[in-house]
Amino acid sequence: AQKVTQAQTEISVVEKEDVTLDCVYETRDTTYYLFWYKQPPSGELVFLIRRNSFDEQNEISGRYSWNFQKSTSSFNFTITASQVVDSAVYFCALRMSNNAGNMLTFGGGTRLMVKP
Amino acid sequence: DAGVTQSPTHLIKTRGQQVTLRCSPKSGHDTVSWYQQALGQGPQFIFQYYEEEERQRGNFPDRFSGHQFPNYSSELNVNALLLGDSALYLCASSLAVGQGRNEQFFGPGTRLTVL
Repeated sequence: AQKVTQAQTEISVVEKEDVTLDCVYETRDTTYYLFWYKQPPSGELVFLIRRNSFDEQNEISGRYSWNFQKSTSSFNFTITASQVVDSAVYFCALRMSNNAGNMLTFGGGTRLMVKP
Repeated sequence: DAGVTQSPTHLIKTRGQQVTLRCSPKSGHDTVSWYQQALGQGPQFIFQYYEEEERQRGNFPDRFSGHQFPNYSSELNVNALLLGDSALYLCASSLAVGQGRNEQFFGPGTRLTVL
C-alpha cells in the first residue's frame, strides 16, 4: 500500500518570505512518480511538477523548487519570495509505475496563506 | 484547447436520492478518473475508465458506478445518497499509461451537497 503524509495542515507567511511545504511518502515499489498540485479557491487542481523515483535531481522553476530525497522518502516544495497569489492548498501525490491505471494517492494537503 | 469540463457546478440532493455527474476530458485524452474530495481533505480515487471499461477502482462501495462513452466523456453515478457523500467530485483526464507523458489534468469539480 502507498501513503502520502503532509504534516503541515496550515502555514501562514508574510509576502516575500520563503516557505517550504513538506511531503513524506511510503511505498514498497522501487519505481514510482511523485507530483505536486496546487488547488486555488476555485477548486481545480493545477499540476505543478512530476518526478520519477530514479531521478533525484532537484528542480527549480522560477520561484518554485523541489527537493527529492529517496533516503528520507521526502519530496519537499519551496516557494521563494512568496506572493499573495501563492495562497492555495497544495497537495503532494504518489503514483505507482506498475498499476494498471495511473491512480494518484494524495496527501491531506497544506493550506498556505500569504499575507500582504 | 478546451480543458477538462464538468457539469453541473453545484448540486443539492437529499438522502436516498441518486445523482449523475458528467465529465468531458481534455482534447486528445482517452482516460478519465474520478476523485472524491471531502472538505479539508485530499482527493480520494474512486475509479478510472479507459476504452469504456472500468480499469481501476479505489475503496468505494458499489453505490458508486460510472460509464465512459465512445467520445471518452464519462459519468459518475451515486445511488442511495448518504450525508457522507457530500464532497467535491473531481474528474481528471489523461492519456493511457505507456503513451507518453500521462499527468492527470483536473476539471473544476462538482460540489455535491446531500441534505
